[in-house]
Amino acid sequence: EPEVTQTPSHQVTQMGQEVILRCVPISNHLYFYWYRQILGQKVEFLVSFYNNEISEKSEIFDDQFSVERPDGSNFTLKIRSTKLEDSAMYFCASSERTTFSGNTIYFGEGSWLTVV
Amino acid sequence: SQKIEQNSEALNIQEGKTATLTCNYTNYSPAYLQWYRQDPGRGPVFLLLIRENEKEKRKERLKVTFDTTLKQSLFHITASQPADSATYLCGLPGSSASKIIFGSGTRLSIRP
Repeated sequence: EPEVTQTPSHQVTQMGQEVILRCVPISNHLYFYWYRQILGQKVEFLVSFYNNEISEKSEIFDDQFSVERPDGSNFTLKIRSTKLEDSAMYFCASSERTTFSGNTIYFGEGSWLTVV
Repeated sequence: SQKIEQNSEALNIQEGKTATLTCNYTNYSPAYLQWYRQDPGRGPVFLLLIRENEKEKRKERLKVTFDTTLKQSLFHITASQPADSATYLCGLPGSSASKIIFGSGTRLSIRP
């Protein structure tokens, strides 16, 4: 079964450093998402992306965050200057169509980011 | 603002019994509702979707109901097994239709 793949699975970084989390969505999917889950908390929406632009972003997704689809397969999340509170599991997800129609979102296994 | 509430307390039940999880929402009328399963350290996995015009949906041992008047969905696992132990998330479409918003999840433990 097709799956969303994410790298790295775990990254430790120093506060203030830039981090790029990478994702390969399912190949025929057109809608891409990043979610975040702080340890013990809920899965929170960060950003959705379609047709090479952001569809929607949450309040969490401030100027320190950016997303990019640099080629036909990868989808990246960049955190420009990491803070301690950015420590979390980051999930990439994709869907074939918009969530408006009730389309299923498929999640990757996550990238665990630890900021020290 | 849109709010989704799931029982934050863990649910512990005996193997073979039916587990029932609740999802309540306020301040909007979603066209559908989804349930996902999340194992520790893993990404959520889609289980079932139920639309606003459907009262009930079944998939193997899973059953979901959707009451738009009560603004509530119930998620049932019949003949529960220890392998069903996980956190179950309720997800609803955001008003902008470009995201799914999740509740905090209910952790289910099935004891042998």
